[in-house]
Amino acid sequence: DAKTTQPPSMDCAEGRAANLPCNHSTISGNEYVYWYRQIHSQGPQYIIHGLKNNETNEMASLIITEDRKSSTLILPHATLRDTAVYYCIVRVANSGGGADGLTFGKGTHLIIQP
Amino acid sequence: KAGVTQTPRYLIKTRGQQVTLSCSPISGHRSVSWYQQTPGQGLQFLFEYFSETQRNKGNFPGRFSGRQFSNSRSEMNVSTLELGDSALYLCASSLQGITNEKLFFGSGTQLSVL
Repeated sequence: DAKTTQPPSMDCAEGRAANLPCNHSTISGNEYVYWYRQIHSQGPQYIIHGLKNNETNEMASLIITEDRKSSTLILPHATLRDTAVYYCIVRVANSGGGADGLTFGKGTHLIIQP
Repeated sequence: KAGVTQTPRYLIKTRGQQVTLSCSPISGHRSVSWYQQTPGQGLQFLFEYFSETQRNKGNFPGRFSGRQFSNSRSEMNVSTLELGDSALYLCASSLQGITNEKLFFGSGTQLSVL
C-alpha cells in the first residue's frame, strides 16, 4: 500500500471548517483513499473513502486532486467532539476478496479550540 | 445494531503468561481482523479471519495466534508474553472483508505486561 504524509497536528476553531491535508504521491490507480479517526481510548472510526471523485457523507467531505497525489478531508462545522487523531490511508482495491490489513501512520492530531 | 464488542477492556499479565482476547463482530459481519496499537509503532495489522479461516496475516511472531468460530466471534491468543506486548489490541469487523468496505472497530483491550 502507498505511503501517506500528514501534518502531525492542527488547530481549528469550533464552528469553523477543518481542512485536513494528506499527501499520497505514490498512489496507484487501483488504490482507494480512506479516512478514519480515533478519539482517545476508543477504536478508530470510519469517516469516508473515495477512489477518484470527490465524496460527501453526513460526517465529512473528501476532495481528491485530479492527479490523485493528495486529498483533503473537510469537516464543515467542527465541534469539540471532533478533537481526535485523523488517519489518511490508501488501500489497494482487491476484487478477489481478502481484507489486506490497514497500515495506519501517525495521523494528524486535530484539536478543536472553543 | 450492536457494535463490535471486545472483552476484557483491561488486562494485566506478567511475563511468560499467556492471554486470550475476545471479539464479537457486528451481526452479519463475517470478517474479523486484529490490530496491535502502541505509541511507538502505531496501529499494525495482526491477522484477518473470514468464515473460520485465516485469510491474511501480518508480520508478527507465531506467539500471536487467533481463531474464528462459526458465529464469526473471534479470539486472539498471545503466548509467552513479553514486556513489548503491552499495547491496545483492536479488532474490526466488516461484511466480507473486501478492500472497499468500511471497517468497524471495537474499543479495544488494553493489555499491560509486567
